[in-house]
Amino acid sequence: ELKVEQNPLFLSMQEGKNYTIYCNYSTTSDRLYWYRQDPGKSLESLFVLLSNGAVKQEGRLMASLDTKARLSTLHITAAVHDLSATYFCAVDITSGSRLTFGEGTQLTVNP
Amino acid sequence: DTEVTQTPKHLVMGMTNKKSLKCEQHMGHRAMYWYKQKAKKPPELMFVYSYEKLSINESVPSRFSPECPNSSLLNLHLHALQPEDSALYLCASSHLGPPYGYTFGSGTRLTVV
Repeated sequence: ELKVEQNPLFLSMQEGKNYTIYCNYSTTSDRLYWYRQDPGKSLESLFVLLSNGAVKQEGRLMASLDTKARLSTLHITAAVHDLSATYFCAVDITSGSRLTFGEGTQLTVNP
Repeated sequence: DTEVTQTPKHLVMGMTNKKSLKCEQHMGHRAMYWYKQKAKKPPELMFVYSYEKLSINESVPSRFSPECPNSSLLNLHLHALQPEDSALYLCASSHLGPPYGYTFGSGTRLTVV
């Protein structure tokens, strides 16, 4: 059974600081997804990582994937309040199958 | 069109009611999904349809009945729900191959009273 673990589960940051969220998964897969969820809202796709060594950046967020280590990171640079949300990583093995989510990281960026 | 549309956005129903949630996409995706999400928890898979056929049922109680009338529509029929079924219900769709990625709808917030 595929397991996906995120840490930390809660992260309180100051504006302007950098931090990294980690996502480990238990079964070989080349596909990892990062989502953002605001309270009461749906999931917004941030990144789709499809190969070992993949790195994608959008604004203050950068995601990477190491399939050998079964590890993805979401790096936050110079955090701003607007980044406050819950971030989920998710992994699937094949299309049309289970998308297994991590527990989520609740990020709060304080002024 | 790059969206998954879910209706209604909010639903309050009694335990004896019958209601349906609807999901629609026009991206040519041939896989569609229902997820249930409780507060402060990750989404949990309920059902998967591939080519309009039910391919995964995650041991969901029979009071939830999915239906996929065609490649663009997915319904979730609700009957005799319990208060613990109150949650955010998310529909998603994807291709059954590249390009990889899942598109989620905005969700239906269901409250069972």
